[in-house]
Amino acid sequence: QKEVEQDPGPLSVPEGAIVSLNCTYSNSAFQYFMWYRQYSRKGPELLMYTYSSGNKEDGRFTAQVDKSSKYISLFIRDSQPSDSATYLCAMSASGNQFYFGTGTSLTVIP
Amino acid sequence: DTAVSQTPKYLVTQMGNDKSIKCEQNLGHDTMYWYKQDSKKFLKIMFSYNNKELIINETVPNRFSPKSPDKAHLNLHINSLELGDSAVYFCASSWTGGATDTQYFGPGTRLTVL
Repeated sequence: QKEVEQDPGPLSVPEGAIVSLNCTYSNSAFQYFMWYRQYSRKGPELLMYTYSSGNKEDGRFTAQVDKSSKYISLFIRDSQPSDSATYLCAMSASGNQFYFGTGTSLTVIP
Repeated sequence: DTAVSQTPKYLVTQMGNDKSIKCEQNLGHDTMYWYKQDSKKFLKIMFSYNNKELIINETVPNRFSPKSPDKAHLNLHINSLELGDSAVYFCASSWTGGATDTQYFGPGTRLTVL
Protein backbone atom coordinates (compact mmCIF):
# COMPACT_ATOMS: atom_id res chain seq x y z
CA GLN A 1 0.00 0.00 0.00
CA LYS A 2 1.32 3.45 -0.93
CA GLU A 3 1.87 5.94 1.86
CA VAL A 4 -0.41 8.43 0.12
CA GLU A 5 -3.38 7.66 -2.11
CA GLN A 6 -4.85 10.14 -4.54
CA ASP A 7 -7.47 9.67 -7.24
CA PRO A 8 -5.69 10.42 -10.54
CA GLY A 9 -8.85 11.63 -12.26
CA PRO A 10 -9.00 13.09 -14.83
CA LEU A 11 -11.46 15.61 -13.47
CA SER A 12 -13.25 17.95 -15.86
CA VAL A 13 -15.44 20.82 -14.60
CA PRO A 14 -17.07 23.91 -16.12
CA GLU A 15 -15.63 27.33 -15.34
CA GLY A 16 -16.96 28.70 -12.06
CA ALA A 17 -17.49 25.29 -10.46
CA ILE A 18 -16.25 24.33 -7.01
CA VAL A 19 -13.56 21.67 -7.24
CA SER A 20 -12.76 19.19 -4.48
CA LEU A 21 -9.47 17.27 -4.56
CA ASN A 22 -8.64 14.66 -1.94
CA CYS A 23 -5.89 12.46 -0.57
CA THR A 24 -5.85 9.74 2.04
CA TYR A 25 -2.83 8.48 3.89
CA SER A 26 -1.86 5.64 6.18
CA ASN A 27 0.96 7.05 8.33
CA SER A 28 -0.48 8.69 11.45
CA ALA A 29 2.88 10.42 12.04
CA PHE A 30 2.30 12.80 9.12
CA GLN A 31 1.71 16.31 10.37
CA TYR A 32 2.84 18.56 7.52
CA PHE A 33 0.53 18.65 4.53
CA MET A 34 1.04 20.39 1.24
CA TRP A 35 -0.65 20.85 -2.09
CA TYR A 36 1.38 21.40 -5.22
CA ARG A 37 0.18 22.48 -8.65
CA GLN A 38 1.96 21.19 -11.71
CA TYR A 39 1.29 22.61 -15.15
CA SER A 40 2.02 20.46 -18.16
CA ARG A 41 5.74 20.04 -18.80
CA LYS A 42 6.65 22.10 -15.72
CA GLY A 43 7.91 21.37 -12.22
CA PRO A 44 5.50 21.32 -9.27
CA GLU A 45 4.99 24.59 -7.37
CA LEU A 46 3.76 24.89 -3.80
CA LEU A 47 0.18 26.06 -3.55
CA MET A 48 -0.83 25.55 0.08
CA TYR A 49 0.80 24.31 3.25
CA THR A 50 -0.99 23.20 6.42
CA TYR A 51 0.34 21.97 9.73
CA SER A 52 -1.65 19.39 11.68
CA SER A 53 -5.45 19.50 11.51
CA GLY A 54 -7.69 22.34 10.48
CA ASN A 55 -8.44 24.61 7.59
CA LYS A 56 -6.38 27.16 5.73
CA GLU A 57 -7.69 29.60 3.18
CA ASP A 58 -5.81 31.54 0.51
CA GLY A 59 -7.94 33.39 -1.99
CA ARG A 60 -10.02 30.88 -3.92
CA PHE A 61 -8.17 27.93 -2.37
CA THR A 62 -8.97 26.18 0.91
CA ALA A 63 -6.96 23.30 2.35
CA GLN A 64 -8.49 21.02 4.96
CA VAL A 65 -6.83 18.36 7.07
CA ASP A 66 -8.68 15.72 9.08
CA LYS A 67 -6.03 13.75 10.92
CA SER A 68 -8.57 11.51 12.65
CA SER A 69 -9.70 10.24 9.24
CA LYS A 70 -6.25 10.56 7.64
CA TYR A 71 -7.84 12.63 4.90
CA ILE A 72 -6.90 15.94 3.33
CA SER A 73 -8.73 18.08 0.81
CA LEU A 74 -8.15 21.05 -1.43
CA PHE A 75 -11.15 23.11 -2.52
CA ILE A 76 -11.01 25.53 -5.42
CA ARG A 77 -13.85 28.05 -5.61
CA ASP A 78 -14.88 29.81 -8.82
CA SER A 79 -12.56 27.62 -10.84
CA GLN A 80 -10.83 29.22 -13.82
CA PRO A 81 -9.35 27.71 -17.00
CA SER A 82 -5.94 28.76 -15.63
CA ASP A 83 -6.49 26.29 -12.78
CA SER A 84 -6.20 23.43 -15.28
CA ALA A 85 -3.21 21.45 -14.06
CA THR A 86 -2.26 18.38 -12.07
CA TYR A 87 -2.61 18.80 -8.31
CA LEU A 88 -0.33 16.76 -6.07
CA CYS A 89 -0.71 16.34 -2.35
CA ALA A 90 2.41 15.79 -0.27
CA MET A 91 3.00 15.09 3.37
CA SER A 92 5.77 14.65 5.87
CA ALA A 93 6.20 13.44 9.42
CA SER A 94 9.03 15.57 10.58
CA GLY A 95 11.31 17.01 8.00
CA ASN A 96 13.28 16.09 4.99
CA GLN A 97 11.21 13.29 3.56
CA PHE A 98 8.00 14.12 1.71
CA TYR A 99 5.59 11.56 0.33
CA PHE A 100 3.60 12.58 -2.71
CA GLY A 101 0.30 11.41 -4.09
CA THR A 102 0.03 10.46 -7.75
CA GLY A 103 -1.67 13.73 -8.63
CA THR A 104 -5.16 14.56 -9.90
CA SER A 105 -5.44 15.98 -13.39
CA LEU A 106 -7.94 18.86 -13.51
CA THR A 107 -9.37 20.56 -16.60
CA VAL A 108 -11.57 23.63 -16.23
CA ILE A 109 -13.66 24.14 -19.36
CA PRO A 110 -14.44 27.76 -20.35
CA ASP B 1 16.81 34.45 -13.73
CA THR B 2 15.69 30.86 -13.26
CA ALA B 3 15.78 29.82 -9.60
CA VAL B 4 16.36 26.10 -10.15
CA SER B 5 17.69 25.08 -13.53
CA GLN B 6 18.34 21.66 -15.02
CA THR B 7 20.17 20.53 -18.12
CA PRO B 8 19.38 18.95 -20.42
CA LYS B 9 15.61 19.40 -20.69
CA TYR B 10 15.25 16.31 -22.86
CA LEU B 11 17.53 13.28 -23.01
CA VAL B 12 17.03 10.35 -25.36
CA THR B 13 19.56 7.57 -25.14
CA GLN B 14 20.10 3.85 -25.68
CA MET B 15 19.93 1.17 -23.02
CA GLY B 16 23.29 0.55 -21.39
CA ASN B 17 24.60 4.08 -21.82
CA ASP B 18 25.80 6.35 -19.01
CA LYS B 19 24.34 9.85 -18.74
CA SER B 20 24.37 12.84 -16.41
CA ILE B 21 21.79 15.47 -15.52
CA LYS B 22 22.92 18.75 -14.02
CA CYS B 23 21.09 20.94 -11.53
CA GLU B 24 21.89 24.39 -10.24
CA GLN B 25 20.03 26.68 -7.86
CA ASN B 26 20.73 30.38 -7.36
CA LEU B 27 18.50 30.80 -4.31
CA GLY B 28 21.23 30.30 -1.71
CA HIS B 29 19.45 27.22 -0.35
CA ASP B 30 21.27 24.63 1.73
CA THR B 31 19.23 21.57 0.68
CA MET B 32 18.79 20.04 -2.75
CA TYR B 33 16.80 17.04 -3.92
CA TRP B 34 16.34 14.69 -6.83
CA TYR B 35 12.87 13.30 -7.57
CA LYS B 36 11.67 10.82 -10.19
CA GLN B 37 8.20 11.23 -11.72
CA ASP B 38 6.91 8.25 -13.64
CA SER B 39 4.39 8.19 -16.48
CA LYS B 40 1.52 8.10 -13.97
CA LYS B 41 2.72 11.36 -12.40
CA PHE B 42 3.89 9.61 -9.22
CA LEU B 43 6.63 11.77 -7.72
CA LYS B 44 9.13 9.95 -5.52
CA ILE B 45 12.16 11.31 -3.75
CA MET B 46 15.48 9.74 -4.67
CA PHE B 47 18.13 11.77 -2.84
CA SER B 48 18.46 14.76 -0.57
CA TYR B 49 21.64 16.71 0.12
CA ASN B 50 22.21 19.35 2.78
CA ASN B 51 25.33 21.47 2.38
CA LYS B 52 26.90 18.88 0.09
CA GLU B 53 26.18 15.99 2.49
CA LEU B 54 23.84 13.13 1.66
CA ILE B 55 20.78 13.17 3.94
CA ILE B 56 18.27 10.91 2.20
CA ASN B 57 19.06 8.01 -0.05
CA GLU B 58 15.91 6.12 -0.88
CA THR B 59 16.03 2.59 -2.25
CA VAL B 60 17.51 3.70 -5.52
CA PRO B 61 19.75 1.33 -7.55
CA ASN B 62 23.41 2.12 -7.10
CA ARG B 63 23.55 2.85 -10.84
CA PHE B 64 22.31 6.29 -9.74
CA SER B 65 25.00 8.40 -8.13
CA PRO B 66 24.40 11.98 -7.04
CA LYS B 67 27.28 14.39 -6.80
CA SER B 68 27.27 17.75 -5.07
CA PRO B 69 30.43 19.79 -5.85
CA ASP B 70 29.04 22.71 -3.85
CA LYS B 71 25.74 23.55 -2.21
CA ALA B 72 24.42 25.26 -5.35
CA HIS B 73 24.81 22.18 -7.53
CA LEU B 74 23.51 18.63 -7.35
CA ASN B 75 24.18 16.48 -10.39
CA LEU B 76 22.79 13.03 -11.09
CA HIS B 77 24.85 10.43 -12.91
CA ILE B 78 23.18 7.26 -14.16
CA ASN B 79 25.18 4.23 -15.27
CA SER B 80 23.99 1.39 -17.49
CA LEU B 81 20.63 2.97 -18.29
CA GLU B 82 17.60 0.66 -18.36
CA LEU B 83 14.18 1.01 -20.00
CA GLY B 84 12.60 1.48 -16.57
CA ASP B 85 14.69 4.58 -15.98
CA SER B 86 12.54 6.46 -18.49
CA ALA B 87 10.82 9.19 -16.49
CA VAL B 88 10.95 12.89 -15.75
CA TYR B 89 13.62 13.76 -13.20
CA PHE B 90 13.10 16.88 -11.09
CA CYS B 91 15.67 18.70 -9.07
CA ALA B 92 14.44 20.84 -6.16
CA SER B 93 15.90 22.98 -3.40
CA SER B 94 14.83 24.44 -0.07
CA TRP B 95 16.41 26.54 2.66
CA THR B 96 17.09 23.94 5.32
CA GLY B 97 15.18 20.83 4.27
CA GLY B 98 12.70 21.21 7.11
CA ALA B 99 9.07 20.23 6.71
CA THR B 100 7.96 23.85 6.73
CA ASP B 101 10.34 24.85 3.95
CA THR B 102 8.98 25.44 0.49
CA GLN B 103 10.67 23.27 -2.09
CA TYR B 104 11.35 24.98 -5.39
CA PHE B 105 11.36 22.61 -8.33
CA GLY B 106 13.27 22.84 -11.56
CA PRO B 107 11.58 22.39 -14.93
CA GLY B 108 12.44 18.69 -15.14
CA THR B 109 14.54 16.51 -17.43
CA ARG B 110 12.56 14.10 -19.58
CA LEU B 111 14.67 10.97 -19.95
CA THR B 112 13.74 8.40 -22.57
CA VAL B 113 15.69 5.16 -22.71
CA LEU B 114 15.29 3.22 -25.97
